[in-house]
Amino acid sequence: GAVVSQHPSRVICKSGTSVKIECRSLDFQATTMFWYRQFPKKSLMLMATSNEGSKATYEQGVEKDKFLINHASLTLSTLTVTSAHPEDSSFYICSASLGQGVYGYTFGSGTRLTVV
Amino acid sequence: RKEVEQDPGPFNVPEGATVAFNCTYSNSASQSFFWYRQDCRKEPKLLMSVYSSGNEDGRFTAQLNRASQYISLLIRDSKLSDSATYLCVALGNEKLTFGTGTRLTIIP
Repeated sequence: GAVVSQHPSRVICKSGTSVKIECRSLDFQATTMFWYRQFPKKSLMLMATSNEGSKATYEQGVEKDKFLINHASLTLSTLTVTSAHPEDSSFYICSASLGQGVYGYTFGSGTRLTVV
Repeated sequence: RKEVEQDPGPFNVPEGATVAFNCTYSNSASQSFFWYRQDCRKEPKLLMSVYSSGNEDGRFTAQLNRASQYISLLIRDSKLSDSATYLCVALGNEKLTFGTGTRLTIIP
């Protein structure tokens, strides 16, 4: 089946630094990828939808300059958390769409970001 | 009001018992509905789809009532391995909207 590889799985960084999270589709081309964040005991919240070769579409309330998304190829999308602060600490998960309804949504294994 | 609402639990249920989860959604334009399972610190994984006619997969039964915008999941003969968070999910405009999840713990 379709696999999305996400890394790093865990990262600790200092306040003010930037962190890049990568998601790669291993055996298929992902035209569309989604980025979510999840706080403890909370739901996954969609942050943005990224389409290969075009600008990402951000959900209301998500700062596009804070969370930079690049989807330069059909197999790679990246999320960069810029000038990270402790409140950015969260679980970030990517998902790729195969365009087959829900059966085409495959998730990365997630990245746990801790900003100290 | 949240688009997808669930009772957060936790549900602590003895092994072998039957447990039922409920979910309501507010966007009547949502096209499809699903239950996902999420283990601690892991990504969510699709458990099953939900249809108006009902959907059964082994010990799991899911049901959708579009008129009342209500979704359910029934787990029979619960196993220790069923312990997880169960997420109710709505699909609309190619976007998945997740409920907050219901935490289930099966007690030996």
